[in-house]
Amino acid sequence: DTEVTQTPKHLVMGMTNKKSLKCEQHMGHRAMYWYKQKAKKPPELMFVYSYEKLSINESVPSRFSPECPNSSLLNLHLHALQPEDSALYLCASSQRTGGDGYTFGSGTRLTVV
Amino acid sequence: AQSVTQPDIHITVSEGASLELRCNYSYGATPYLFWYVQSPGQGLQLLLKYFSGDTLVQGIKGFEAEFKRSQSSFNLRKPSVHWSDAAEYFCAVAPQGYGGSQGNLIFGKGTKLSVKP
Repeated sequence: DTEVTQTPKHLVMGMTNKKSLKCEQHMGHRAMYWYKQKAKKPPELMFVYSYEKLSINESVPSRFSPECPNSSLLNLHLHALQPEDSALYLCASSQRTGGDGYTFGSGTRLTVV
Repeated sequence: AQSVTQPDIHITVSEGASLELRCNYSYGATPYLFWYVQSPGQGLQLLLKYFSGDTLVQGIKGFEAEFKRSQSSFNLRKPSVHWSDAAEYFCAVAPQGYGGSQGNLIFGKGTKLSVKP
């Protein structure tokens, strides 16, 4: 299995809702990432998990809460989002050191209404 | 500061013509180098990567890239473009020994490729 699977593919949520994005990989990668991508922009790093521990938080607002329950799963819990949080959320994984590059999922298109 | 520059925001080529997308980086040491492609609304697909060794790297879909240390460049090329190549292309770098807390991908702003029939 050489894929990163993200669910759901599309999500519409109100500003008072709580929702979660899910990411799964079975490549044995021990680093996993959340990126946010706005239209016509490159991806921006949000969080990095290394060996299931949060190692980088790029000053992301607390309404985004990441979780890594095990080495194959990465979640992003969403609460009280703003319309400007609407974006494509990408998950990626990589080997701990060196390796074959980052593998990206196809993303979750999030719309906050 | 570490940075990646893709000087062309938008390029249009005719189908069957050759293509070169430019990428320059600013980094303290030779980083790992990547080219990714993204179709509208999709994730990023890795085209090719350079870690070390031969400076001409072959990738998927007929793409190749050449690493030139003296110019801090990693340009992407394809000899004959197909209509299905129309997409956004991102150059990215990562520090050697990347992964987890040791670093992460730094992306250029991207180049949009349009293909004329």
